[in-house]
Amino acid sequence: EVQILETGGGLVKPGGSLRLSCATSGFNFNDYFMNWVRQAPGKGLEWVAQIRNKNYNYATYYAESLEGRVTISRDDSKSSVYLQVSSLRAEDTAIYYCTSLTHWGQGVMVTVSS
Amino acid sequence: VQMTQSPSYLAASPGESVSISCKASKSISNNLAWYQEKPGKANKLLIHSGSTLQSGTPSRFSGSGSGTDFTLTIRSLESEDFAVYYCQQYNEYPLTFGSGTKLEIK
Repeated sequence: EVQILETGGGLVKPGGSLRLSCATSGFNFNDYFMNWVRQAPGKGLEWVAQIRNKNYNYATYYAESLEGRVTISRDDSKSSVYLQVSSLRAEDTAIYYCTSLTHWGQGVMVTVSS
Repeated sequence: VQMTQSPSYLAASPGESVSISCKASKSISNNLAWYQEKPGKANKLLIHSGSTLQSGTPSRFSGSGSGTDFTLTIRSLESEDFAVYYCQQYNEYPLTFGSGTKLEIK
């Protein structure tokens, strides 16, 4: 059974930073490109970042709206992926999903508010 | 690539068939996926490569199109199909989603 569990969310003040973690199991993690996708309250899905697998030299890609403020990384030995987000703004408030695009987690809520 | 999805809202009855459109602002070949979103559940990949059903997707779902115009069709709606549907292109970065279609019971 595929399991994807995101952690690290919570309430953060504007300008603050956060590191989201995603632990996976039940699929061949090393074979997949991994992504973070977010969904602001009442809104649609927005892709945030992708990290490719070892075969593609762990290349990373970011949404233009977040570039410079986010870093995606992975640890294949732990089947885990991470998202570091800095200089958080109110508009970053969203549920953040970890996903291979085939498999999705249930998401973790990030709220940016003073 | 901008993805224009329509309609944003659709009401139908069980047993009916519905179609959702997704138009790309430039050609994306067949690099398009459809997802289903339901409250309290993980998003589900239904279709990839424009028309290939993901393992486990019921055969009443079908996808068609290539280039810029794509359609998701659900035949003989069942109660479990009432959800929000998104298209997404993965032809180029940044990956982009349509704005979603909420399918509700009439």
